[in-house]
Amino acid sequence: GNSVTQMEGPVTLSEEAFLTINCTYTATGYPSLFWYVQYPGEGLQLLLKATKADDKGSNKGFEATYRKETTSFHLEKGSVQVSDSAVYFCALHRDDKIIFGKGTRLHILP
Amino acid sequence: EAGVTQFPSHSVIEKGQTVTLRCDPISGHDNLYWYRRVMGKEIKFLLHFVKESKQDESGMPNNRFLAERTGGTYSTLKVQPAELEDSGVYFCASSQDLGVKYTEAFFGQGTRLTVV
Repeated sequence: GNSVTQMEGPVTLSEEAFLTINCTYTATGYPSLFWYVQYPGEGLQLLLKATKADDKGSNKGFEATYRKETTSFHLEKGSVQVSDSAVYFCALHRDDKIIFGKGTRLHILP
Repeated sequence: EAGVTQFPSHSVIEKGQTVTLRCDPISGHDNLYWYRRVMGKEIKFLLHFVKESKQDESGMPNNRFLAERTGGTYSTLKVQPAELEDSGVYFCASSQDLGVKYTEAFFGQGTRLTVV
């Protein structure tokens, strides 16, 4: 079946550190891939997406590349800020529904 | 333009009671989805409306859950009677129906349900 696996959290980093949150997926065909973010007290927001192999999604300094050969969509940011503290969800879109990973809580220390 | 709004933001009820969650989608969005996140686990799909019709309710956990979308506008999700394992955050999302493979879904803030 379709599923998403992402690294367990919480992840704690210092400000300006490099961030990687790993995500791999299992799906038939070629699903669209997403990263959603939930800031404290807010709803889920789409952070970035990629709809086909080798596409790179980017937003707010975050990037993720759709890697079909490794079925991965790792999230990266070169220099994190305190304001990036949130829960990040990797997800795929299949059969008109979104399938999420468990979420990774990120804490950025000043 | 208003986003997806959910009410209440937080509900604490006793086991055996009834709770009704409400979702107001973005105006003009025919697709409406309910998802649930039980603590520490994935956000899981519950069901999908297209206008007032249930397109897919394969994720509904059992018959204690009833979702409606009368008139194709707002939706309610009723849990009756509530059990402890129903605790979690219930998200609603909506999207336009443009006849293409994927259109972006916009999520509400969620309703945190605690059953004690």
